[in-house]
Amino acid sequence: EAQVTQNPRYLITVTGKKLTVTCSQNMNHEYMSWYRQDPGLGLRQIYYSMNVEVTDKGDVPEGYKVSRKEKRNFPLILESPSPNQTSLYFCASSFRGGTRGVGELFFGEGSRLTVL
Amino acid sequence: AQSVTQLGSHVSVSEGALVLLRCNYSSSVPPYLFWYVQYPNQGLQLLLKYTSAATLVKGINGFEAEFKKSETSFHLTKPSAHMSDAAEYFCAVSDRRRGSTLGRLYFGRGTQLTVWP
Repeated sequence: EAQVTQNPRYLITVTGKKLTVTCSQNMNHEYMSWYRQDPGLGLRQIYYSMNVEVTDKGDVPEGYKVSRKEKRNFPLILESPSPNQTSLYFCASSFRGGTRGVGELFFGEGSRLTVL
Repeated sequence: AQSVTQLGSHVSVSEGALVLLRCNYSSSVPPYLFWYVQYPNQGLQLLLKYTSAATLVKGINGFEAEFKKSETSFHLTKPSAHMSDAAEYFCAVSDRRRGSTLGRLYFGRGTQLTVWP
């Protein structure tokens, strides 16, 4: 089954304790992206990757890191989480280029993170 | 940069009534436009997309949207609402970049659709 898998789905942590949210897709997609969703603000892009070893900042990259060492994985790292990073996080992937892949993002089910 | 404005953060309709969710965009060049739907406790899924072919785009679950360049709009409609349509809907615009047809995707703030029996 084609899917984007995020882990953990739910996490409560404390300020400053490093954490990683994993994202894996099994569709051989080149493009992967992280978003955070906050009430009234919609989805805001954190980082995205056009292919292996190619990453770029989105609209709200501060406090986050990413890496793309393999095509299927795109982990989101919070080196020193703070309460303002409490949010619902989504990973998404897509084919890059061509009408087939234009904008058709496939989303994971989300990871709800609470930073105390 | 692109931007998307969704008019109305909440829309309520009766079952069987017309659904109209509004989306306006700003872009210096003709963009690609999308509507995504998010059901409770799920990720987003694509409803439909406009990529400069036909201006009236049909999507899943009976939804359609019309691209109107003169109004910079891409409103989502459905003739008859169903209880199962209750969800949050997001309009999104993609910039076009040489060498990539995906680039960045900018989302509106979402419209929560409630359907009353």
